[in-house]
Amino acid sequence: EPEVTQTPSHQVTQMGQEVILRCVPISNHLYFYWYRQILGQKVEFLVSFYNNEISEKSEIFDDQFSVERPDGSNFTLKIRSTKLEDSAMYFCASSWTDPPSNQPQHFGDGTRLSIL
Amino acid sequence: AQKVTQAQTEISVVEKEDVTLDCVYETRDTTYYLFWYKQPPSGELVFLIRRNSFDEQNEISGRYSWNFQKSTSSFNFTITASQVVDSAVYFCALSEARNNAGNMLTFGGGTRLMVKP
Repeated sequence: EPEVTQTPSHQVTQMGQEVILRCVPISNHLYFYWYRQILGQKVEFLVSFYNNEISEKSEIFDDQFSVERPDGSNFTLKIRSTKLEDSAMYFCASSWTDPPSNQPQHFGDGTRLSIL
Repeated sequence: AQKVTQAQTEISVVEKEDVTLDCVYETRDTTYYLFWYKQPPSGELVFLIRRNSFDEQNEISGRYSWNFQKSTSSFNFTITASQVVDSAVYFCALSEARNNAGNMLTFGGGTRLMVKP
């Protein structure tokens, strides 16, 4: 069964550094998402991406964050000037067809980001 | 604004017991979708079920069943004859139907289920 792939599984970064989290969505999916989960808390929406542009973003997704689909397969989340509170599990998800809310989002295994 | 509440933060049962996980949601939309995801100790999020707001039929899949009641804005999940492998955090989530692309999921706080042998 196709799956969403995220790399790395664990990223350790010094505070203030930039980090890029990578995702390969399921190949025929059109909609891409990033969520984060601070340890022990709920999963929170960050951003959705469709047709090479952001379609929706949350309050969390400020200027520190950016997303990109640099080629036909990868979907990346960049966090500039990381802060301690950015430490969390970051999940990439994808779904297909329109309307996207009608289809389940399939999640990757997550990248655990630890900011020191 | 949409909101999902899972009042039970943690439930502990003994293997073979039945257990129901509660989910209550709030939305102003008449068309919306409800989901359950499982997060085992390994951390990934596993999709379990999707329900749209027009389909109030209960669903059964093996030992899992779901009870959707619009009148009480609830979408509860029951595991029959629980097993140790069911131990996980279970999240209920809501997505509102809109015309724009990429509809976000709003998750509840999750219920940690511990099934003891």
